[in-house]
Amino acid sequence: QQQVKQSPQSLIVQKGGISIINCAYENTAFDYFPWYQQFPGKGPALLIAIRPDVSEKKEGRFTISFNKSAKQFSLHIMDSQPGDSATYFCAAPMIYNQGGKLIFGQGTELSVKP
Amino acid sequence: DGGITQSPKYLFRKEGQNVTLSCEQNLNHDAMYWYRQDPGQGLRLIYYSQIVNDFQKGDIAEGYSVSREKKESFPLTVTSAQKNPTAFYLCASRAPGDTQYFGPGTRLTVL
Repeated sequence: QQQVKQSPQSLIVQKGGISIINCAYENTAFDYFPWYQQFPGKGPALLIAIRPDVSEKKEGRFTISFNKSAKQFSLHIMDSQPGDSATYFCAAPMIYNQGGKLIFGQGTELSVKP
Repeated sequence: DGGITQSPKYLFRKEGQNVTLSCEQNLNHDAMYWYRQDPGQGLRLIYYSQIVNDFQKGDIAEGYSVSREKKESFPLTVTSAQKNPTAFYLCASRAPGDTQYFGPGTRLTVL
């Protein structure tokens, strides 16, 4: 069964620091690799997404790096703020892109200390 | 405002009852999805639908049922056959060539 392995499970960063979350995937379809941000009791919100033909995508303080040969992609949060404290999920499209299905990582709980 | 709405926000079920969770979207998306989220775990796919009047089972469909009579609506019924239904339920939708967008979720608790 396809899997996405996300690490670390939890992360504590000082305000102003860099938060880095990594994901490794198996075989996948050529489609978007999204990252979602989820606050307690809320639905996941799309943070940023990248297609595998691009090695990096930046939106504000958030950057996705994509390494197709290593089958890995990561989220970098620059100048981390207490408001960034949330759970982050990566996802990869299922092989053969079955109806746009995604395989999700287990999530990373980020805590940014003031 | 375009988006995905789920209702109710909180739902309580007694043992042996069927309950239905609502999911509506006005984004004109063809594909819709239902996920279950348990504490400290990722999202697990229950059912998905790519088009009206068609749907497929996900990884954990047992004890759940769905219908897709209208493009904008994809209700999920949690039946009495689902032995451990207490969880956070999330609905999502997707346009072709894009990724999935989620609703705010429904928290179901069995009394």
